[in-house]
Amino acid sequence: DTGVSQDPRHKITKRGQNVTFRCDPISEHNRLYWYRQTLGQGPEFLTYFQNEAQLEKSRLLSDRFSAERPKGSFSTLEIQRTEQGDSAMYLCASSLPLAESTDTQYFGPGTRLTVL
Amino acid sequence: KQEVTQIPAALSVPEGENLVLNCSFTDSAIYNLQWFRQDPGKGLTSLLLIQSSQREQTSGRLNASLDKSSGRSTLYIAASQPGDSATYLCAFPKWGNTPLVFGKGTRLSVIA
Repeated sequence: DTGVSQDPRHKITKRGQNVTFRCDPISEHNRLYWYRQTLGQGPEFLTYFQNEAQLEKSRLLSDRFSAERPKGSFSTLEIQRTEQGDSAMYLCASSLPLAESTDTQYFGPGTRLTVL
Repeated sequence: KQEVTQIPAALSVPEGENLVLNCSFTDSAIYNLQWFRQDPGKGLTSLLLIQSSQREQTSGRLNASLDKSSGRSTLYIAASQPGDSATYLCAFPKWGNTPLVFGKGTRLSVIA
């Protein structure tokens, strides 16, 4: 197993453009999470899926953000009309909890977004 | 709202020293607690997970403890090495089915 992968690793865009990121979780992991991390801060939760169902969205996730996991495998995160405040590292994590108390999340390398 | 505090924010130690990183939280009703390592510009690597019913977990030179009553967890690193230099984050879900709440991390530098 190669772990969680994310693409692209880096994205530079101009303000107002749309961007889309992809996350491929560890095979057969049914939970997939998106987090955002800015410099000097811990990751902040954006949204998560159990299989293809989006179960929770943070208030950080404005209507410019949308996430999908259409077949319960990979997921995409799209940001429309990007703003400079969207510049951050976007992290994806997946898990397969054998029991809720042992739900270890495994993180990908992240996508660093820079909005000019 | 659950709040997580990590102290110190940064730490520099000479190689070979034992050290302790601290994590405190405001709500003792946590389900489990994870410690992560993050290298600059990279994703997070899970180090240890402590279930709420446990008091500590060990992996190699790492030992993590959990005291729910006082709202604290510590990560003990024995015989530190330059390769241990990274940011260490603690995080936990309030319930098993919710996302993680992270501290800001402690940035560790181990000097050879």
